[in-house]
Order: sequence, then C-alpha cells, then structure tokens
Amino acid sequence: EDQVTQSPEALRLQEGESSSLNCSYTVSGLRGLFWYRQDPGKGPEFLFTLYSAGEEKEKERLKATLTKKESFLHITAPKPEDSATYLCAVQGQAGTALIFGKGTTLSVSS
Amino acid sequence: GAGVSQSPSNKVTEKGKDVELRCDPISGHTALYWYRQSLGQGLEFLIYFQGNSAPDKSGLPSDRFSAERTGGSVSTLTIQRTQQEDSAVYLCASSPRTGVNNSPLHFGNGTRLTVT
Repeated sequence: EDQVTQSPEALRLQEGESSSLNCSYTVSGLRGLFWYRQDPGKGPEFLFTLYSAGEEKEKERLKATLTKKESFLHITAPKPEDSATYLCAVQGQAGTALIFGKGTTLSVSS
Repeated sequence: GAGVSQSPSNKVTEKGKDVELRCDPISGHTALYWYRQSLGQGLEFLIYFQGNSAPDKSGLPSDRFSAERTGGSVSTLTIQRTQQEDSAVYLCASSPRTGVNNSPLHFGNGTRLTVT
C-alpha cells in the first residue's frame, strides 16, 4: 500500500534559521513526488514535482530533493511569509490519485 | 483564466440532511478529483473523473456519497443523510489530463462542511 509520512508535524523557526522538512514514502513504482503549500482556509498550492532519485528543484528559498525512500524540502533563511503547512504527496504506478502525507506546519517568527 | 472554484465555501447542515457541493474546474482540464481533509488528517482521496466518467471511485467512504460530472466540466459531490463524521473540508482539484507528469493538481479553496 502506498504511504507517505511527514516529519516533524510542526516546526518553529526564527527568521533566517534554515531547516529541512522530511517526507518518507513507500510506493509501488514512483511516477512522481509532489510538494504543496497550504495556507489556512485555502487549498493546497503546487510547489514542485520530482520524478527520480537525485533530482532537485528550487524556487526562491525552497529546494526539494529526492532519494529512493524520501524527499526533503530545504528552507534557506526563511521569512515569516513562509509560514504555512507543507504537504508531500506521491503517485504510484498503480493509481491515478495522489497519496498525501499529513503535512508539516511551519511557523517562522521575526 | 480563473482557478478552480468551489461552492459554497461553508455549509452547515443538520444530521440526516442531504448536501450538494459544487466544483468548477479550470477550463479545459479533463481530470477532476475530490479529496476530503479532516482536522489533523491528511488529504483523503474520494473520487477521480476523466471527462464525465469516474474510473476510480475507490475512496468514497460509503454509499451515502456520490458524485457526477456533466459536460466534462462542473462536478457535484452529494452526501445523503449526513452524519457528524462527514464534517470536513471537501477539496476539488483539476489537471489538464490524467497522469500527472508535468500536470500537477490545481486545487480550489474547498467547502467546509459542518454537520450538527
């Protein structure tokens, strides 16, 4: 069964304090791993898609990396506006739906 | 154009009543998904449409839940005889085609359903 586990559940950082969020997954044939950002009261907003181990993608202060078992979302010098819940999802060969983790809620204080 | 639109944004209903939730996907997107997000839980897949057909209904939790899509566009999720455990945010997403390579899901802001 495809499964996604995110850690930590919550993370509090000071502005400028870099850190990483983890997404561990088990899937039968990875078709894609996705990172989304979700603000309170809003739907998830797409950030990145990663397809194969070793792949990396960057957007502003965010960098996503992928191995065969996990993905990391690295946040460099975060700002308060980076505060949100970050969701990881996978799609396997067997299904059409994305399987989501429970998310990491990031709070960045100034 | 506009993103995925869902209505109503909030719905409060009494236990036992039926509710209909609406989703307007991005124009031209053939794939449409319904997810449910409960407090402290991840997004739970409900149903997937490709065009007007639903090849994957595996996530619908019971026969009280049904969904349809007409004209390859608007979709309606219906919950009959609502129960308190149905309280959640119901999210709709669309993508240009099935198979998500280079086709991420675009989500609406959801309908928050509260069953009293």
